[in-house]
Order: sequence, then structure tokens, then C-alpha cells
Amino acid sequence: AQSVTQLDSQVPVFEEAPVELRCNYSSSVSVYLFWYVQYPNQGLQLLLKYLSGSTLVESINGFEAEFNKSQTSFHLRKPSVHISDTAEYFCAVRGVYGGATNKLIFGTGTLLAVQP
Amino acid sequence: NAGVTQTPKFRILKIGQSMTLQCTQDMNHNYMYWYRQDPGMGLKLIYYSVGAGITDKGEVPNGYNVSRSTTEDFPLRLELAAPSQTSVYFCASNSGQGAYEQYFGPGTRLTVT
Repeated sequence: AQSVTQLDSQVPVFEEAPVELRCNYSSSVSVYLFWYVQYPNQGLQLLLKYLSGSTLVESINGFEAEFNKSQTSFHLRKPSVHISDTAEYFCAVRGVYGGATNKLIFGTGTLLAVQP
Repeated sequence: NAGVTQTPKFRILKIGQSMTLQCTQDMNHNYMYWYRQDPGMGLKLIYYSVGAGITDKGEVPNGYNVSRSTTEDFPLRLELAAPSQTSVYFCASNSGQGAYEQYFGPGTRLTVT
């Protein structure tokens, strides 16, 4: 079984400042890791994913996340945030050999609040 | 493609009433999921389906039922609504084994009073 911990429920940050959203996971097997973003009053959208290979993965809008197996972490970072990045961010995990279900385990979410 | 659509967007129910939340996807995905989202709790899986006629329980199935008669539709039924079922409900789909991304609908906000 897997679990995900997002310790920060809310992260306020000023526009153009850097930000890091933390995610730690627990699993006895190899995992796939995901970050989903939820803009106000919308469903979740996949932001980026780690499946294998390079431990640093990037999204098209400037976010990146690094898989750290020894620290069981998958923190999300952006060097300079915009007002439009205000959203809730969910970290999710799935076992590589998750059976025929592709079920995801989600963290509790971090609200990124970008202020002008 | 519309992707995953959900109806209604909002609903207020009285305790003990029943209703069906509709979910339809037009991507020919085999796998479909129902989640509920509560503040500070993230998303919890209610039920899922890996194909027409096949459903199974997730983490929090009590008080809900599902059916999957077609690939496209995956309705969620609340038989006797309770205040604890006040939540935002999301439907998602995934193309199946070997696929990684789940595609989410816009959600249904349900209040039970």
C-alpha cells in the first residue's frame, strides 16, 4: 500500500517569488509519482509525472519536480510564480505493479496562493 | 472531444432523498473512477470500474452504489442521502493498463441538509 503526505495545506507567496510545494510518499514497492493541479471550480489536471529515467521532470508552464528515492520525496518547484498559478496542487502515487486498476493515492493538497 | 462530463454541477438534497450523479466520457476509456473531495482530506476513491459490467469498491464506498452498463457511462447513486455525503464529487477516466494519466470531470457539488 502507498500513502502520500503533503505537510503544507497552504503556501502564500508573492508574485515572481520562487516556491516549493512538498510531497513525501511511503511505499514498499516502486512507484509512479504525479502532481495534479486544480484551478478554482474545476476538475484536476495532470501537471507532471515521474515514471522512470531522469529524476527531474518538468511541465510546460515552468514547474519542475524531482524524484528523490532516498528521501521518498517528490517536491514541486517553480522559480518565479504568477498570479495565474494560484490553485490547489495534489501529489499522487501509484505502485508500478498496481494491478489492473491504475488506482491513484492522493495527498491532502496544498493551496498555492500567489499575491501581487 | 468533450472529455469527461458530469451532471449536475450543483445539487441540494434533503436527508433521506436519493439521487444519481451522472458521468460520461467520450474517449473510449475502459477505466473509470468516482472520488469525493472534502476540505483538507484530498480525494478519496469511492468506486471504480475497469470495464463495462465490472465495478469494485474503493476506500469509501459506504452509502453509494455504481453501475457500468456501457463504456461511456458510470453513474454514482446515493440511496439515502446523509449530511456526511456533503462533498464535491469527481469522476475520472483512464484508458487502461499501461496508461498513467487520469482525466477528470469538472465535479458535482452536493449539499445534504
